[in-house]
Amino acid sequence: GESVGLHLPTLSVQEGDNSIINCAYSNSASDYFIWYKQESGKGPQFIIDIRSNMDKRQGQRVTVLLNKTVKHLSLQIAATQPGDSAVYFCAENAGNDMRFGAGTRLTVKP
Amino acid sequence: SQTIHQWPATLVQPVGSPLSLECTVEGTSNPNLYWYRQAAGRGLQLLFYSVGIGQISSEVPQNLSASRPQDRQFILSSKKLLLSDSGFYLCAWGGAGVFTGELFFGEGSRLTVL
Repeated sequence: GESVGLHLPTLSVQEGDNSIINCAYSNSASDYFIWYKQESGKGPQFIIDIRSNMDKRQGQRVTVLLNKTVKHLSLQIAATQPGDSAVYFCAENAGNDMRFGAGTRLTVKP
Repeated sequence: SQTIHQWPATLVQPVGSPLSLECTVEGTSNPNLYWYRQAAGRGLQLLFYSVGIGQISSEVPQNLSASRPQDRQFILSSKKLLLSDSGFYLCAWGGAGVFTGELFFGEGSRLTVL
C-alpha cells in the first residue's frame, strides 16, 4: 500500500555541520508534507511544511526540498546544534490521514 | 495561545483492565482532534479523529474507543487492555480542514500493559 518511508534510520553529524534527512513517499496524490521533530519522551513538534505547488521552503536554519518527480522530500538543517538531536519524521497528507514515516534519529556530536 | 494537555503521562496497567486517557485543548474552538499511537522505534499510527462533538472516525479496528463529550475534550478508552496496547499515545489538534494543516501534539501518554 501507499507509505511514507525514510532512507536512513540514524544520522550522526558533527556540531556545526549541515544535516540532511531524507524521506521517500509513494502517494503521488499527496499535496501537503510536514517535518516534525520529536525529542525523547515528548510529542512531535512542527518544524516546517511544504505544499505540492512548491519545491523549496526555508525556515530558520531549516530548508525543506520537495521533488515530486521522484517523490522525495528532504530536510536540511544548517549549522547543526546539540539541541537538534532528536527523531525527525516526515508526514504526508494522504486523503483522510496524515501518514508518518518511521523517523530518522539525528545525533549531534560535540 | 493554544495549548493541549494530555494525562496521565505514564500508566502501567494489567492485561484486562480498563483504560482512560484524556486530552483537552485550550485557546481554540471547534478543533479537529486526533489520537495517534507510537510503538517503540516506529512512526505514528492514526487511531481516531474527530471533527466535532460526538463525531468519531476510527481508522484501525481495535479494542480501543474514543469519545468527544465536549468541544475541546477527547478521550481514549478501552474496556479490557491487551499486551499489544502498550505504546506511546499522542493526542493532537488541528485547525479547519482535516489533515490539511499542521497538527499540534500533546506531550504523550506512555502506556505499559503487563
